Amino acid sequence: EAQVTQNPRYLITVTGKKLTVTCSQNMNHEYMSWYRQDPGLGLRQIYYSMNVEVTDKGDVPEGYKVSRKEKRNFPLILESPSPNQTSLYFCASSLSSAFQPQHFGDGTRLSIL
Amino acid sequence: AQKITQTQPGMFVQEKEAVTLDCTYDTSDQSYGLFWYKQPSSGEMIFLIYQGSYDEQNATEGRYSLNFQKARKSANLVISASQLGDSAMYFCAMREYNQGGKLIFGQGTELSVKP
Repeated sequence: EAQVTQNPRYLITVTGKKLTVTCSQNMNHEYMSWYRQDPGLGLRQIYYSMNVEVTDKGDVPEGYKVSRKEKRNFPLILESPSPNQTSLYFCASSLSSAFQPQHFGDGTRLSIL
Repeated sequence: AQKITQTQPGMFVQEKEAVTLDCTYDTSDQSYGLFWYKQPSSGEMIFLIYQGSYDEQNATEGRYSLNFQKARKSANLVISASQLGDSAMYFCAMREYNQGGKLIFGQGTELSVKP
């Protein structure tokens, strides 16, 4: 089954404790992206990757890191999480064209205390 | 300026009736894609339907159709024969060819289907 898999689905942690949210897709998509969704602010792009070893900042990259060492994986790293990073996070993937839909993972609810 | 505007924060529809969710967009790019996503209360984002800027026919996917009016820059979603399971948030989104593939989302419309 074609899918984007995020882990964990839920996480409660404390300020400053490094964490990684994994994202994997099995559709051989070149493009992968991370979004965060917050009430009143909608969905905003954090980072994206056009292909292996190619990553770039989205609209809200501060406090996050990513890597794309393999085509299928695109982890999101919070080196020193803070409460303002409490949010619902989505990983998405697609073929590179603007005419292709992005397929989303089920989301990760992060709470930083 | 807002690139995607959804003017209806919330809507109600009677079960089995049709409903139209509005979406207008703003772009100077000639090549772009328009998408609708559904987000149920469980939180996942489900892709519903797509319309390319060069497509002359309106897209349809089952009970979903997209009323694409390029000159007016509108891409309204029409859901026919509403079902209780259609109750969710609906997001209109756009990808522009020259913008690195980013999806730009509207603020969403919360649809409630009444029995």
